Order: sequence, then C-alpha cells, then structure tokens
Amino acid sequence: GAVVSQHPSWVICKSGTSVKIECRSLDFQATTMFWYRQFPKQSLMLMATSNEGSKATYEQGVEKDKFLINHASLTLSTLTVTSAHPEDSSFYICSATGNMNTEAFFGQGTRLTVV
Amino acid sequence: GEDVEQSLFLSVREGDSSVINCTYTDSSSTYLYWYKQEPGAGLQLLTYIFSNMDMKQDQRLTVLLNKKDKHLSLRIADTQTGDSAIYFCAESIGRGSTLGRLYFGRGTQLTVWP
Repeated sequence: GAVVSQHPSWVICKSGTSVKIECRSLDFQATTMFWYRQFPKQSLMLMATSNEGSKATYEQGVEKDKFLINHASLTLSTLTVTSAHPEDSSFYICSATGNMNTEAFFGQGTRLTVV
Repeated sequence: GEDVEQSLFLSVREGDSSVINCTYTDSSSTYLYWYKQEPGAGLQLLTYIFSNMDMKQDQRLTVLLNKKDKHLSLRIADTQTGDSAIYFCAESIGRGSTLGRLYFGRGTQLTVWP
C-alpha cells in the first residue's frame, strides 16, 4: 500500500511554544489529508480535513487558530499547534487519500508532550 | 452525528477464533473499516467492506455486515499472540474527496493468551 510518513515521531515542548508536525505522502499524490487526535485509551477524533491549495475544514469544537493546518502541495500537509499547553499533549495522526483510492493511508503518528 | 461503538476488551486463547463487534448509527455509511493499532504505533488497515456487501473474507479475517441492524463484526480465525493489539472499527459516510473522513469507535483491546 501507499506510504504516509509523519515527522517527528515524538516531540516535547515547553508551554507557550508552537510545534509543527509534518505529514508526507511518499509515493502518491494526496489530494486530501486528514488530521486526528487520540487521547490515551481513547478513539481517534477527526480534527480537520485539508485539500491541497485550499483552507482546511475543521470539525466542530476544534479551534482553527490553535491548530493551524497547511496543505501547500500534493505530498505535504502540516499541523502547527500554536501556544501549546499541557492539555494539548496527545497523539496526533494524519491520513491521506488520493484520487483513486478507496482507503485512507495513515502516518505512524506523532506523540506531543507539552511540559 | 456519527456514533461508533465497540466493546473495550476481548481475551482469547491462542488458536481460538476472536470475534470483535461494532455498531454504528449512520445508515449512509459508504465504507466500513477495521484497523489494527499496536502500542505506540499508527494504524494499519486490516480490511474494509463496502456498505452494499454482507461479507468479506481475507485469509484469516472475515467481516460480516448487517446493514439492517447497523452491526459490523471482525472474526479472526486461529488467533495468534501477534494478533494482540487494539482493533478499531471505523465508518466513512463520505464520497470522493471526503471518503477518508472516518469516524472511529473507541477500540477493542484484544489479548491473546498462549
């Protein structure tokens, strides 16, 4: 199957700083990318959907000014957690679909810890 | 809204069959998926079924879909210790570019005892 890579795999940052997470499709063009958040022992919750070259669509309750999403190319989407707080600590996972796919391919996830 | 429910835990002996169940509420689901997640890792797609199918078999995996009852199950035959993981049921109600917009259950922790 197609490969989606996230970077970094884990990151620790101080409260008040911003953190950028990258999601790359390595061998296909990802027309749409999705960002999820997973709390320990909980489900994945969809945060936003991004299409290349346009603004992301955020799910209800997700602060778009806090979680900035950019999908500037067909192989890269970024999620920036701005002014991070300890409650933003979580596992963030991206997925991507291409034009002909019936499935979404997931990255390996990024563990964010805010101290 | 979309609501996907799963039992949280399942324990089986090695060599037995495992059956993980899932219910969902949105009748306009297009695809239903089963994903596997091992500790600290991302999600691995195991199998999926289109909403107009009743059953799909793929080696040791059998997916049954009862659309009337909005019930999905995953049967793993000859369960091995390496199958121990969290299994997520997910549904998509989208089409085209929104097909990958998935709603997940909380996951079933499968523990396989030797």
